[in-house]
Amino acid sequence: SQELEQSPQSLIVQEGKNLTINCTSSKTLYGLYWYKQKYGEGLIFLMMLQKGGEEKSHEKITAKLDEKKQQSSLHITASQPSHAGIYLCGADVMTTDSWGKLQFGAGTQVVVTP
Amino acid sequence: GAVVSQHPSWVICKSGTSVKIECRSLDFQATTMFWYRQFPKQSLMLMATSNEGSKATYEQGVEKDKFLINHASLTLSTLTVTSAHPEDSSFYICSARRIRGAMSWYFLRYEQYFGPGTRLTVT
Repeated sequence: SQELEQSPQSLIVQEGKNLTINCTSSKTLYGLYWYKQKYGEGLIFLMMLQKGGEEKSHEKITAKLDEKKQQSSLHITASQPSHAGIYLCGADVMTTDSWGKLQFGAGTQVVVTP
Repeated sequence: GAVVSQHPSWVICKSGTSVKIECRSLDFQATTMFWYRQFPKQSLMLMATSNEGSKATYEQGVEKDKFLINHASLTLSTLTVTSAHPEDSSFYICSARRIRGAMSWYFLRYEQYFGPGTRLTVT
């Protein structure tokens, strides 16, 4: 099965500072999703990457997928209190009998301090 | 982005009763939906894949007779927790997959959108 490791498990960042979260897979990623979750709530879709070397940005959040498609990073520039939450990476699991199942990393809890 | 709704958002039921949770894709059609379970401060665990017009595919260790899934239309999947027990108390989240084009002739580009979740408490 696909193993996804997220790092760090948690981080505290001062408002206005940048932060980076990493997601590493034991196998080639056919689709990598980034979501944000607040505790006890659903997941908010951030970005999806499929091509090696792909990079996407939305507002102050940038996600990249490396050329080998085994590692992705999520970078937040000039963090704000609204960026606080749990960030999850999910990998598309490709099997012969199913398509599109996601396996998730353990999540990274982000706390933004004043 | 696309919108997926879940109903109810929370439910409390007595042990031995059944509870139905609905997952709807509001502005797109989803031939495939997924049901996840999340325990406090843990990541999501995939329970089953719900396919419109056919039987659901369950992950290893998930009891299909206990967690009944029905994907009756392209916008609705339901999860019924039968004969609920306190250990079934959890946060249940559904997701719906939307095709967003093709990367190649054989490789489609998908996006998955999640519902807000349903918190089930069995007393």
